[in-house]
Amino acid sequence: DVKVTQSSRYLVKRTGEKVFLECVQDMDHENMFWYRQDPGLGLRLIYFSYDVKMKEKGDIPEGYSVSREKKERFSLILESASTNQTSMYLCASSLTPIWGYTDTQYFGPGTRLTVL
Amino acid sequence: AQTVTQSQPEMSVQEAETVTLSCTYDTSESDYYLFWYKQPPSRQMILVIRQEAYKQQNATENRFSVNFQKAAKSFSLKISDSQLGDAAMYFCGGGATNKLIFGTGTLLAVQP
Repeated sequence: DVKVTQSSRYLVKRTGEKVFLECVQDMDHENMFWYRQDPGLGLRLIYFSYDVKMKEKGDIPEGYSVSREKKERFSLILESASTNQTSMYLCASSLTPIWGYTDTQYFGPGTRLTVL
Repeated sequence: AQTVTQSQPEMSVQEAETVTLSCTYDTSESDYYLFWYKQPPSRQMILVIRQEAYKQQNATENRFSVNFQKAAKSFSLKISDSQLGDAAMYFCGGGATNKLIFGTGTLLAVQP
């Protein structure tokens, strides 16, 4: 079974703090994704990565950055956390390196971040 | 641009009955993939079923089946013989590449 783990289930931070959310997958997947989930808005893509050191902006990248130094690990960074970044953050991974094919995404358990 | 619309924020079904969750997926792509994901309370999101747009046959997975009407941009999920464990938030999603777009979700309650 694919396993996607996230470093924390719950996190409380203060406004202005730098926040790191870590995600690790154990199935050698090429693609990794960060979403935020908010009531009434569904899942929105923040960033994704299709290879080590490669990244692309999703639909809502403002206020976030990412890092992928190793294939299995994808980090989401909030440079200066703000209250409007309070949300559930979901990491996902998928296998397919083939262009034009959309593979199943496997999700982590999520990190509920509260910014005070 | 792609859009995914789930017009039912909440649904309820009696145990053992059948329920259908609606989704519309609008895209200019000719070939794409559609997914239904389930997120149980406080648990990980998991794939329920996937459909490839070029396939004529609707996908089925045990009690779960889809009704894909490409021209109408409709991709509904039918759950037969509903069980208490089916209670969850259900997200419809789609994409032509590895970047998926998701709907806002439908919260399904199952009444004993």
